[in-house]
Amino acid sequence: GQNIDQPTEMTATEGAIVQINCTYQTSGFNGLFWYQQHAGEAPTFLSYNVLDGLEEKGRFSSFLSRSKGYSYLLLKELQMKDSASYLCAALDSNYQLIWGAGTKLIIKP
Amino acid sequence: DVKVTQSSRYLVKRTGEKVFLECVQDMDHENMFWYRQDPGLGLRLIYFSYDVKMKEKGDIPEGYSVSREKKERFSLILESASTNQTSMYLCASSLIADLAKNIQYFGAGTRLSVL
Repeated sequence: GQNIDQPTEMTATEGAIVQINCTYQTSGFNGLFWYQQHAGEAPTFLSYNVLDGLEEKGRFSSFLSRSKGYSYLLLKELQMKDSASYLCAALDSNYQLIWGAGTKLIIKP
Repeated sequence: DVKVTQSSRYLVKRTGEKVFLECVQDMDHENMFWYRQDPGLGLRLIYFSYDVKMKEKGDIPEGYSVSREKKERFSLILESASTNQTSMYLCASSLIADLAKNIQYFGAGTRLSVL
């Protein structure tokens, strides 16, 4: 079956760095997405990786290893506004998104 | 900016009622989706549509139907609401040209409680 695994909850300190991991098993693979969802709000697109390696976008970076079925989202210089859930999703061979349950990130001062 | 608007943020309905959830997008996107989001579970796709009057079943279509009479509007219908349909419902849209990258833009969600 198809499956996405990511930690349920993580805690980090303001100004620090945090890495949120995601492993996936899908029927075919056409890319890996990360979305951010603040409580009570819409998920918003953060990043898309389809090739191996690291994509950097400001304070946020996303990494993909296709051979390992693994991705991570790296958040640097954490701010209180980064407190949110981070959703990992893989695009399968039918171009359907398979979603993880999300990682709730709590930032402490 | 893409805007996806869901008609209600909160709804309370009784078991057996017919429920309509409305979604409108303003960016001329061909693809529209309905998901439900429950604690501890990933987003689950209920139905999607690639064009007007087109619909495709997602992973959990039972108990739901959809309507897409106009490109910008995608409605989710619960024919006879049940308590296990209490959930957060999210609508999304995307450009068909982005099939591979498939960035989806979401509405803020409708939290439905069925009593």
